[in-house]
Amino acid sequence: QVQLVQSGAEVKKPGAAVRVSCKTYGFTFTDHFIHWVRQVPGQGLEWMGWIKPTRGAPNYSKKFQDRFTMTTDTSISTAYMELTSLRSDDTALYYCARDGLGRDNFDYWGQGTPVTVSS
Amino acid sequence: DIQMTQSPSSLSASIGDRVTITCRASQSITTYLNWLQQKPGEAPKLLIYAASTLQSGVPSRFSASGSGTDFTLTISSLQPEDFATYYCQQSHTSPRTFGQGTKVEIK
Repeated sequence: QVQLVQSGAEVKKPGAAVRVSCKTYGFTFTDHFIHWVRQVPGQGLEWMGWIKPTRGAPNYSKKFQDRFTMTTDTSISTAYMELTSLRSDDTALYYCARDGLGRDNFDYWGQGTPVTVSS
Repeated sequence: DIQMTQSPSSLSASIGDRVTITCRASQSITTYLNWLQQKPGEAPKLLIYAASTLQSGVPSRFSASGSGTDFTLTISSLQPEDFATYYCQQSHTSPRTFGQGTKVEIK
């Protein structure tokens, strides 16, 4: 059974960094792209980037590329995102999502990790 | 970036109604268009991919069509569990972009 299980809620101060993990189960981790998407409370969905384990460089949205890093640990089938220099407008729910094999879609999602940035 | 525009932004409908949501891309995305459903407090769920292919497990009352820049999602007979927000999303070009969402509410 395919599952993406994300780490728990985070509260950070402005200027800090946050790291969110996305542990995957039930599929071959190295076969799929993993995307990160965020949702500001009450608003829509915003794509941040994708990474494919064992494949070259990740692909970042220009909006985030200066302070956003995606990595993977294939030994534990886990993807990570780190966002630095946090601001209050980074307060959002952060999701990881799996790309369906060759289908260019987000077919399975993590449960979301709330990140609150507040002084 | 490719802009995705949905209409309407919200609608009210009754159980059993036929509902149609449209999505327009700012440039051609051929059929690289997905539809997702999101209920309050839940992660989005994939309904349709490649413009018209029903994701496994999704009820057949959902259908979609379109290519190029204009796309539609249709719910043939609205059910109580369909009240949610629907998003279109293009996977033609990075950055992937989403429509602003269409909230389907109970009339």
